[in-house]
Amino acid sequence: SAVISQKPSRDICQRGTSLTIQCQVDSQVTMMFWYRQQPGQSLTLIATANQGSEATYESGFVIDKFPISRPNLTFSTLTVSNMSPEDSSIYLCSVQTGSNQPQHFGDGTRLSIL
Amino acid sequence: GENVEQHPSTLSVQEGDSAVIKCTYSDSASNYFPWYKQELGKRPQLIIDIRSNVGEKKDQRIAVTLNKTAKHFSLHITETQPEDSAVYFCAAKTNFGNEKLTFGTGTRLTIIP
Repeated sequence: SAVISQKPSRDICQRGTSLTIQCQVDSQVTMMFWYRQQPGQSLTLIATANQGSEATYESGFVIDKFPISRPNLTFSTLTVSNMSPEDSSIYLCSVQTGSNQPQHFGDGTRLSIL
Repeated sequence: GENVEQHPSTLSVQEGDSAVIKCTYSDSASNYFPWYKQELGKRPQLIIDIRSNVGEKKDQRIAVTLNKTAKHFSLHITETQPEDSAVYFCAAKTNFGNEKLTFGTGTRLTIIP
């Protein structure tokens, strides 16, 4: 399966600041997704990153708070904007190499907001 | 939208015994059901999946069964080993124009040596 690199692996940030998380895949993939996993919780889909167009956000997530880019078929970024302690979580990128293919996850970014 | 319920939330079994985790889904149009294992501090890893045209699938000590009529599917782990200790997540996907997964709440499985 594709090798997924996510950066940074962890960060500690001040409230009110923004952080951009990168997801790089070693091969072209059709679908890229961003999830949030709060401590001890399940995975919640934030949005589907669409190549060359605006991301598709799930209920409860908005573009102003979580802007997403996907300039090509191997790379995407998620920005967590104007962070507050409630944004402390693990953010995970996942990819799918084609329709009807399984999703595979990156290692995640562990984010703590002070 | 799809809703996936998972039980139990925690499960402890003696090493060598079997473990069963159950999930139910709400959308009868869902047609793909993966299971992920997440060890502490690690990424979720796909361990097995099943599509709606199949009733059961096995991979060594792991099996998944699907009952479309009842809208539930189960993960079975036989001859459990300490390295099976992890959190397991089920998920469901409705493949109509999008590929998004809806996850269950997770089961923390502990294997007692």
